[in-house]
Amino acid sequence: QVQLQESGPGLVKPSQTLSLTCTVSGGSVSSGSFYWNWLRQPAGKGLEWIGRIYATGGTNYNPSLESRVNISIDTSKNSFSLKLTSVSAADTAVYYCARVAAVVGMYFDYWGQGTLVAVSS
Amino acid sequence: EIVLTQSPGTLSLSPGERATLSCRASQSVSSGYFAWYQQKPGQAPRLLIYAVSNRATGIPDRFSGSGSGTDFSLNINRLEPEDVAVYYCQQYGSSPLFSFGPGTKVDIK
Repeated sequence: QVQLQESGPGLVKPSQTLSLTCTVSGGSVSSGSFYWNWLRQPAGKGLEWIGRIYATGGTNYNPSLESRVNISIDTSKNSFSLKLTSVSAADTAVYYCARVAAVVGMYFDYWGQGTLVAVSS
Repeated sequence: EIVLTQSPGTLSLSPGERATLSCRASQSVSSGYFAWYQQKPGQAPRLLIYAVSNRATGIPDRFSGSGSGTDFSLNINRLEPEDVAVYYCQQYGSSPLFSFGPGTKVDIK
């Protein structure tokens, strides 16, 4: 059973960098069959896709965040990470990591439980 | 950019009734790249339906999806209290690569 678990600070100061890690168990981030994604959801609002990374390290980002986002992969730790720079209160949200099984279809079949990140001084 | 619009915003029904949720896309979406998710309060979204009409693993057959092009539907037969949730549609293919509808909240009367 594939499991994803987000980790990182729950509070970030404005203008600083938000950093989160998603650790995967029951599967390998090195597998060429999957994309590894970050999404977020402000309280009471809908879902926003942030970006994805492939096993080779190739990435795609949401154009609305692209200038501030970096997603990286660490195959030795079976994890992938999100960095979001110059954060503001608008970046306060629950952040999810999720898997896409590329060979089957472009949908999120496994999700982490989510981690709340608040941006506040 | 493909914009997904969901209706109604809230659906309040009695147990045992049938719920019909709609998702309309501003441009045609490939059937293989359309999905529905269920999100219960305090939980992560869960995949319900993929490729328009295929139920994900463990999803009861009370849930069914249909549609094509720009109009898609999710039906929930014999509504149960455990179905109280927000339901989101999702498309892949247009920038941004993944986008979601605003959600339909299903309540039990």
